Amino acid sequence: AQSVTQLDSQVPVFEEAPVELRCNYSSSVSVYLFWYVQYPNQGLQLLLKYLSGSTLVKGINGFEAEFNKSQTSFHLRKPSVHISDTAEYFCAVSLKAAGNKLTFGGGTRVLVKP
Amino acid sequence: NAGVTQTPKFQVLKTGQSMTLQCAQDMNHEYMSWYRQDPGMGLRLIHYSVGAGITDQGEVPNGYNVSRSTTEDFPLRLLSAAPSQTSVYFCASSYYRDTVNEKLFFGSGTQLSVL
Repeated sequence: AQSVTQLDSQVPVFEEAPVELRCNYSSSVSVYLFWYVQYPNQGLQLLLKYLSGSTLVKGINGFEAEFNKSQTSFHLRKPSVHISDTAEYFCAVSLKAAGNKLTFGGGTRVLVKP
Repeated sequence: NAGVTQTPKFQVLKTGQSMTLQCAQDMNHEYMSWYRQDPGMGLRLIHYSVGAGITDQGEVPNGYNVSRSTTEDFPLRLLSAAPSQTSVYFCASSYYRDTVNEKLFFGSGTQLSVL
């Protein structure tokens, strides 16, 4: 079975500073990879996904993530954060040919300070 | 366009009570699912459905029942509530193709407390 580890439960960061959220996964077969964001009191929204092709994936709101197969990682980055990026971020994987069943990591809370 | 609608937003139950969490979507999505969110554990899949009349278990199905009589609705039933079921519950839906992962659309959640 696959699993996802988000190494940081909380990440405080100052406005306009860069941020990186770390995600590692384990799986014996190929997977699809995702980052979802949850703003306060809302459901999750898809930020970006990696299905195949280029290992650098660009998503909404200036976020990007890089798939590293050898390190089984899918870290999320943003070069300059805004107050509005304060949210919880979830990394997730699904097995190919497994439909939409996602396995989520524990989440990383990002608090952007002025 | 309402998207995925969950009701109620908040619910308090006593141990042993039963209740149904409602989920409806108006996007004609084949796939619907229920997740529970617990601190530090992310979201865990409870049950899912790939179409009307078809349901299957996810990672944590015990204590929950589902049915899918229409494309639009996917209710989650707690048969006999336990304090361990205190959680935030999310319904999510998407188009479905078994070889490609489609974007999930989430509802705004139901916060359930079992005393």
